Amino acid sequence: NAGVMQNPRHLVRRRGQEARLRCSPMKGHSHVYWYRQLPEEGLKFMVYLQKENIIDESGMPKERFSAEFPKEGPSILRIQQVVRGDSAAYFCASSATSWESAEAFFGQGTRLTVV
Amino acid sequence: ILNVEQSPQSLHVQEGDSTNFTCSFPSSNFYALHWYRWETAKSPEALFVMTLNGDEKKKGRISATLNTKEGYSYLYIKGSQPEDSATYLCAFKKSNNNDMRFGAGTRLTVKP
Repeated sequence: NAGVMQNPRHLVRRRGQEARLRCSPMKGHSHVYWYRQLPEEGLKFMVYLQKENIIDESGMPKERFSAEFPKEGPSILRIQQVVRGDSAAYFCASSATSWESAEAFFGQGTRLTVV
Repeated sequence: ILNVEQSPQSLHVQEGDSTNFTCSFPSSNFYALHWYRWETAKSPEALFVMTLNGDEKKKGRISATLNTKEGYSYLYIKGSQPEDSATYLCAFKKSNNNDMRFGAGTRLTVKP
């Protein structure tokens, strides 16, 4: 049973390009969370999704950022027209039920560098 | 604003020392508290999920307590080993929020 898979592990984009980050949750998990870790900071919540639904996107910037978790396939975090300040590590986590009672499993993150 | 505070920010101990650190969170509308261990270049790994006031959980040399009325949780490590070196994160969920809010972590270094 593979863990949470994120790809790519490292992504370099020029300013203005688009970044697509993928997260395949653990088998049987239908809850996905995305977090961002800025340099020298902790994990900051971005968005919580269940299959085909965005439950809470209160931590995600309203411009340029979007997330989806389709019925089939991985969850995608999309950043359009990237800027240098988007450089960070992006982690996703998945759980079988909503987070309050079940532990979440994290992927190894995607490190985005905007040059 | 939902603030989760962890202290200290970093800690250096000798092998064999016992240590503890704190996670503080708002006590109203408490739902769950999680502790994670995060080693460099790896992903955070769940240690404990705590939901009840007075909860005490143990895994080997690591244990945690929870006080939801005053809004804190302690993580204890008995007889620290170099392999315990990691960042320890706590994450808090309110009953009317969907997300888990993470603290900035306590970075533990255990010197042999």
